Amino acid sequence: AQRVTQPEKLLSVFKGAPVELKCNYSYSGSPELFWYVQYSRQRLQLLLRHISRESIKGFTADLNKGETSFHLKKPFAQEEDSAMYYCASGSGNTGKLIFGQGTTLQVKP
Amino acid sequence: EPEVTQTPSHQVTQMGQEVILRCVPISNHLYFYWYRQILGQKVEFLVSFYNNEISEKSEIFDDQFSVERPDGSNFTLKIRSTKLEDSAMYFCATESSGTRNYNEQFFGPGTRLTVL
Repeated sequence: AQRVTQPEKLLSVFKGAPVELKCNYSYSGSPELFWYVQYSRQRLQLLLRHISRESIKGFTADLNKGETSFHLKKPFAQEEDSAMYYCASGSGNTGKLIFGQGTTLQVKP
Repeated sequence: EPEVTQTPSHQVTQMGQEVILRCVPISNHLYFYWYRQILGQKVEFLVSFYNNEISEKSEIFDDQFSVERPDGSNFTLKIRSTKLEDSAMYFCATESSGTRNYNEQFFGPGTRLTVL
């Protein structure tokens, strides 16, 4: 079965420090991978998707098929990056998203 | 900017009662989804809906659950006879038309369902 794993429940860093939120997936086909973010009291929103190969708010994520990973990185964390981050995988033709458990990023001043 | 809306924001019900959760999609969107998140757990897919029929449903989505888009606007999730374990946050998500290559899903703010 398709699965997404985010091993860290909480990641706490100081402002200006590098951030890496880990995500591993299991999927036999070609995965569609996303990072969604939920800021405090806000709704889930798309941060970035692997197919776009873009950088959003300084975040990037590279698909590594050999390691089946899609880690989210940012070189210098900002306090406003504090949020819950979800890695998600799409499968099939129905648009279903499979989410990881989520990682809370806490950026301390 | 258009947003997905959901009502109610919080629903409290007795076990065995029927509940209907409502979602108003973004107007030109054609793909609709329900997800749920039990407190402290991950967001789980329930069902996807396109062209007035279910595209895919999860194991969670048993005979007690149904979805419909009765008036071409609202997208509803009905739970016929609620159980304690149905207590969760329910999210509606919608996606625009276009090629089926994983466009962005836009999420509603969620409905918190509490079953007593």
